[in-house]
Amino acid sequence: GAVVSQHPSWVICKSGTSVKIECRSLDFQATTMFWYRQFPKQSLMLMATSNEGSKATYEQGVEKDKFLINHASLTLSTLTVTSAHPEDSSFYICSARTGEKPQHFGDGTRLSIL
Amino acid sequence: QKEVEQNSGPLSVPEGAIASLNCTYSDRVSQSFFWYRQYSGKSPELIMSIYSNGDKEDGRFTAQLNKASQYVSLLIRDSQPSDSATYLCAVNILGNTDKLIFGTGTRLQVFP
Repeated sequence: GAVVSQHPSWVICKSGTSVKIECRSLDFQATTMFWYRQFPKQSLMLMATSNEGSKATYEQGVEKDKFLINHASLTLSTLTVTSAHPEDSSFYICSARTGEKPQHFGDGTRLSIL
Repeated sequence: QKEVEQNSGPLSVPEGAIASLNCTYSDRVSQSFFWYRQYSGKSPELIMSIYSNGDKEDGRFTAQLNKASQYVSLLIRDSQPSDSATYLCAVNILGNTDKLIFGTGTRLQVFP
């Protein structure tokens, strides 16, 4: 149980492109989903917390107009990186939880902006 | 001071030995503590969660929590080469039980 699916696994695109990443909880309803970013040899950095049907809460220093988060249902959240640039290249990971249970992570999306 | 601190390692242990991974945290009122395993290029996988002082055992893994010392550890018995990974300690943050702060991780190498 507690399977989280993330798609796509890899994205390579040109600078200025917008990229959408999907995160789905497959066998449970996720009351909260989280989006993290991880640069090489660094730990996970929380970008935003998303509750179904409400606006995401962004961490300090994360531009909400650049990283658009939509959590339209209890099983799906999306992160759109708008007008991506090379400095946005990173490993983006979503996680999901229900109630007070631990977070479970998706497989991550490796984003490379040329 | 970082909120969650771990020795980056690598920690090298021979196959069959006990690997001991340590983590300290700064928020005295944190309530929930987690250990995640992350293989290179992969996302974290939950190994253990612990909420009260003492030991919690699950198979070859034992988590130990000492809130007075603000210290949480993970012991891996009978270490296997497949245990080689980065182990992330995560702690909840006061005021928002949903928000986890991760340490930078300890890289474990188990050699045959």
